[in-house]
Amino acid sequence: EVQLLESGGGLVQPGGSLRLSCAASGFTFSSYAMSWVRQAPTKGLEWVSSISGSGGSSYYEDAVKGRFTISRDNSKNTLYLQMNYLGAEDTAIYYCVKDSGARIVGARGYFDYWGQGALVTVSS
Amino acid sequence: DIQMTQSPSSLSASVGDRVTITCRASQDIRNHLAWFQQKPGKAPQSLIYDASTLQSGVPSKFSGSGSGTDFTLTISSLQPEDSATYYCQQHHNYPRTFGQGTKVEIK
Repeated sequence: EVQLLESGGGLVQPGGSLRLSCAASGFTFSSYAMSWVRQAPTKGLEWVSSISGSGGSSYYEDAVKGRFTISRDNSKNTLYLQMNYLGAEDTAIYYCVKDSGARIVGARGYFDYWGQGALVTVSS
Repeated sequence: DIQMTQSPSSLSASVGDRVTITCRASQDIRNHLAWFQQKPGKAPQSLIYDASTLQSGVPSKFSGSGSGTDFTLTISSLQPEDSATYYCQQHHNYPRTFGQGTKVEIK
C-alpha cells in the first residue's frame, strides 16, 4: 500500500524558513517522480514543484522559483521541500504527491497518490 | 502556461441524477487530462488520468471523456458520498495546472 506522510509544517514568521519532509513507503521510491502541491485556505489546488526519480531534474512554479528547493534522498525514501523567504501568500496545506513515472522532462506522467498534507502558516 | 477552466463552479443535484462537469484547456493537451475528488477537510484523491482511464479502485459510476481542449467528467448516478469538489488538471506539460474546481452538492 502506497503511503505518503508529510511532516515539518507549522507556524513561521514572514521572511522565515521551513523544511517539509515526506516519508514514502509501499513502492520503489527512486523509480517515481514526486511533486508538491499546495492549497491555500478556501482556495483551489496549486502545483508547486516536481522532481524526477533520480533527483536530476526539477521544475518550480514561478511564484516559488529562487525561494523553494525540492530534493529527495532515495536511500531514505524521503522527499523534501526547503522553503525560504516565506510570505503570507505561502500559507497553505502542502501535499506530497507521487507521479506515475520516473521522468519529468518531456513526460506526461500523472499524479496517482497524495499524502494527507502539512499545514504551513506564515504569520507574525 | 496552459489555463484550465471548469464549469460550472458549483452545482446542486439530487441523488440518482447524472452529473456532468466540463473542463476546457487553453491549448491542445491531447488526452493528458486528470480528474481529482476532494472531500471537505481531506486530501485530494485521483479519479481519472489520460482523460478517460479510471485509477485503480475508482467506481465505474465515474467516467471521463474528451481530447484536445474540451473534456468532461460524468457521475452516472449521484450518491451522497459524491458530495465533494472536483478538479481537472493537465499533465501535458509543466507547469502542471489545475482548474478552479467544481463543488458538487446534494439537494
